[in-house]
Amino acid sequence: DTGVSQDPRHKITKRGQNVTFRCDPISEHNRLYWYRQTLGQGPEFLTYFQNEAQLEKSRLLSDRFSAERPKGSFSTLEIQRTEQGDSAMYLCASSSIRAGGSISGTDTQYFGPGTRLTVL
Amino acid sequence: AQSVAQPEDQVNVAEGNPLTVKCTYSVSGNPYLFWYVQYPNRGLQFLLKYITGDNLVKGSYGFEAEFNKSQTSFHLKKPSALVSDSALYFCAVRDIAGTASKLTFGTGTRLQVTL
Repeated sequence: DTGVSQDPRHKITKRGQNVTFRCDPISEHNRLYWYRQTLGQGPEFLTYFQNEAQLEKSRLLSDRFSAERPKGSFSTLEIQRTEQGDSAMYLCASSSIRAGGSISGTDTQYFGPGTRLTVL
Repeated sequence: AQSVAQPEDQVNVAEGNPLTVKCTYSVSGNPYLFWYVQYPNRGLQFLLKYITGDNLVKGSYGFEAEFNKSQTSFHLKKPSALVSDSALYFCAVRDIAGTASKLTFGTGTRLQVTL
């Protein structure tokens, strides 16, 4: 399977604990995105990377959240001191922007299966 | 700010009948528009996108969408629905005038196709 993969698929934790999620994008995709989806809502943008650089962060991304993409390949999203309001599906997506090859914004984002977080 | 509205929480259609899932958008410049489908406990699957050109866009699984600039709409259509099309459908927009690469999604429309 050469799609976007996420690990774990499900995570149950107690309030106050730290959790970390991993996303492996489609090979050679240089853009990677994180979204959060709560029940009955569409995905909401959290942050995105182009290669290893984090280019934008949403105001939804409080200081308890941190994302990294150290080598421009896989990415991790860490939530510190989890709260019940953090319970959601965390989705990762990747896309390809080729230098000089496509207009920014036209790239298609391909999503992984998500990590469902439940904070008790 | 960019936004998307999906006015129907649920659309019910009989198998074999045509289906339409509605979407309207608001952006400051010209939009890039996308449709995704989500099956239970799964991520989003890309169906189609409008970037420029022909207002009728064809996508995966027999779906198509019509871009209407004057009505700021991008409705998803299929000539003949299948039971297996039952899922949650999301419209999304990206504003090409903005610097962000993010997609802004609607709240989703649940499509229920019955025999």
